[in-house]
Amino acid sequence: EVQLVESGGGLVKPGGSQRLSCATSGFIFSNYSMNWVRQAPGKGLEWVSSISRLSTYKYYEDSVKGRFTISRDNAKNSLYLEMNSLRAEDTAVYYCARDLEPEWVPNSYFEYWGQGILVTVSS
Amino acid sequence: EVVLTQSPATLSLSPGERATLSCRASQSVSSYLAWYQQKPGQAPRLLIFDASNRATGIPARFSGSGSGTDFTLTISSLEPEDFAVYYCHQRSNWPRTFGQGTKLEIK
Repeated sequence: EVQLVESGGGLVKPGGSQRLSCATSGFIFSNYSMNWVRQAPGKGLEWVSSISRLSTYKYYEDSVKGRFTISRDNAKNSLYLEMNSLRAEDTAVYYCARDLEPEWVPNSYFEYWGQGILVTVSS
Repeated sequence: EVVLTQSPATLSLSPGERATLSCRASQSVSSYLAWYQQKPGQAPRLLIFDASNRATGIPARFSGSGSGTDFTLTISSLEPEDFAVYYCHQRSNWPRTFGQGTKLEIK
């Protein structure tokens, strides 16, 4: 059974940093590109970042470029999102999601999702 | 950035009725469009990819159509569990984008 479990959320002050982790199991992690998608309270879905299976390609939504860094550890079957210079508008539930197909570049259909982790940016 | 506009914002129907949800792209995304269903407090669920392919385990009452800029998600006969929010999503261009969602509610 494919499982994705996010951790590392919580309350952080504006300008602060937070690191999210996504532990995975039930599939060959190194075969799939991975993604972060967020959802502000009561709002719609917003793609944040994607990383290819060997970390060769990384993509970011414009508002997080230069502040967020996506990474992965294939030996630990884990995905990460390092978030710096956090703003109130980064407050959201953050989901990690696995690509639908095992390809060399992110194909970005999100077949499996974690349960989500809330990050609240507030003073 | 490709802007996806979904209509209507809210659709009120009864179980057994047919639902038709629309997604329009600001530029062509070919067939690189997906649909997701999200229920309150849950993660989204992939329903349709490449405009018309059902994901694993998705019932046949869900179907997708369209290409280029105009896409449709059809639910042929609504079941009680189908009332949720539906999002379209494109993977043709970076950044990946989602529509704002259509809420399907019980009439």
